[in-house]
Amino acid sequence: KQEVTQIPAALSVPEGENLVLNCSFTDSAIYNLQWFRQDPGKGLTSLLLIQSSQREQTSGRLNASLDKSSGRSTLYIAASQPGDSATYLCAVSRLSGTYKYIFGTGTRLKVLA
Amino acid sequence: GAVVSQHPSWVICKSGTSVKIECRSLDFQATTMFWYRQFPKQSLMLMATSNEGSKATYEQGVEKDKFLINHASLTLSTLTVTSAHPEDSSFYICSAPTPGSGTSYEQYFGPGTRLTVT
Repeated sequence: KQEVTQIPAALSVPEGENLVLNCSFTDSAIYNLQWFRQDPGKGLTSLLLIQSSQREQTSGRLNASLDKSSGRSTLYIAASQPGDSATYLCAVSRLSGTYKYIFGTGTRLKVLA
Repeated sequence: GAVVSQHPSWVICKSGTSVKIECRSLDFQATTMFWYRQFPKQSLMLMATSNEGSKATYEQGVEKDKFLINHASLTLSTLTVTSAHPEDSSFYICSAPTPGSGTSYEQYFGPGTRLTVT
């Protein structure tokens, strides 16, 4: 059974810092890994999608890497801003089947002005 | 990108009543949709897979008679919470996969429905 864990569970940093959020999964036979952010009381906003054949994806100040063999992904946020404050979730889908996602436990980020 | 909508965005109902939540793919067809539940300060937990033209597949521990799923068309799935109780109060989110770049499938999520049972 796939289990997805995110470390740290919570993080509070001053504005401007570069951050690394971690996501680990127990079954390396994944199809996709996707990073989301969720603001309090809101739905999900997709940040980056990494296909199983890829090693990283970049969008603006965000960079996500994937190492399937070790069961890890990292989300790098450069020059953090107060607007980055949110919960960050990673999710993985199985290599075969219905593409359903298993979500990680989440990292609650607070960037202080 | 693809758009998934949910209706209603929030609902309050009395204990013992039933509530229906709709999930629609607005600009693409979805033979499969997924329903998730999120309790406060927790992550999303997959409840069931909604399949157009066939029965839904429920995750272990989810009562299929309590959470009725109907995939009425290629753009609509509904989740009905029957005989709702306060412990069913939660944030319900649906998603649908659609082809992304190459052969990869990307999940698009609805904005969620907050259910409060009094």
